[in-house]
Amino acid sequence: KNQVEQSPQSLIILEGKNCTLQCNYTVSPFSNLRWYKQDTGRGPVSLTIMTFSENTKSNGRYTATLDADTKQSSLHITASQLSDSASYICVVSCMEYGNKLVFGAGTILRVKS
Amino acid sequence: DTGVSQDPRHKITKRGQNVTFRCDPISEHNRLYWYRQTLGQGPEFLTYFQNEAQLEKSRLLSDRFSAERPKGSFSTLEIQRTEQGDSAMYLCASSRQGTSGRNTGELFFGEGSRLTVL
Repeated sequence: KNQVEQSPQSLIILEGKNCTLQCNYTVSPFSNLRWYKQDTGRGPVSLTIMTFSENTKSNGRYTATLDADTKQSSLHITASQLSDSASYICVVSCMEYGNKLVFGAGTILRVKS
Repeated sequence: DTGVSQDPRHKITKRGQNVTFRCDPISEHNRLYWYRQTLGQGPEFLTYFQNEAQLEKSRLLSDRFSAERPKGSFSTLEIQRTEQGDSAMYLCASSRQGTSGRNTGELFFGEGSRLTVL
């Protein structure tokens, strides 16, 4: 079964600290992996998209990594800010089934001052 | 504004009533998706369109749900005889699908339509 598991479920960190969110998937055959940021009550906003051949991709203070062999991805946030408080959703695209997107449940991050 | 637009943003209705949500995708995006999201969960796929053709419907989409995308532009999602379990955020997203058939197009989401069924 195609699944995306994210950990931790929630995380609280102090402003200025770094953190890493994890995503494990069983989606096969793999097409690409995306990370989205979703503020409370808003729609998700894309942070990164990585294909099979990409190991790392950065978007400002956000850096995503991908290990297609172990089917794991991480999202590292550097020097966190209060505005980083949101849900971070990992999404994997499956090449079959019409390139269906499989969503994780998200990690809720809260940055405290 | 060139983003994905959804209307209404909030809808409160009584059980048994019909509701309709509208989504205006980014112009020239040929794919349009509908998702449902409940608190603490990721979005769940409902259906998607390639231009005006509805290519896939999830088993989550019961007979009470219907979606249309006439002329391949805006889309509507109608829920008939609403039930309390329909309370959720309904998200619309659009993307530009390349000719290769691989879904590498970035997905742009709207702000969602939050439905509360009393």
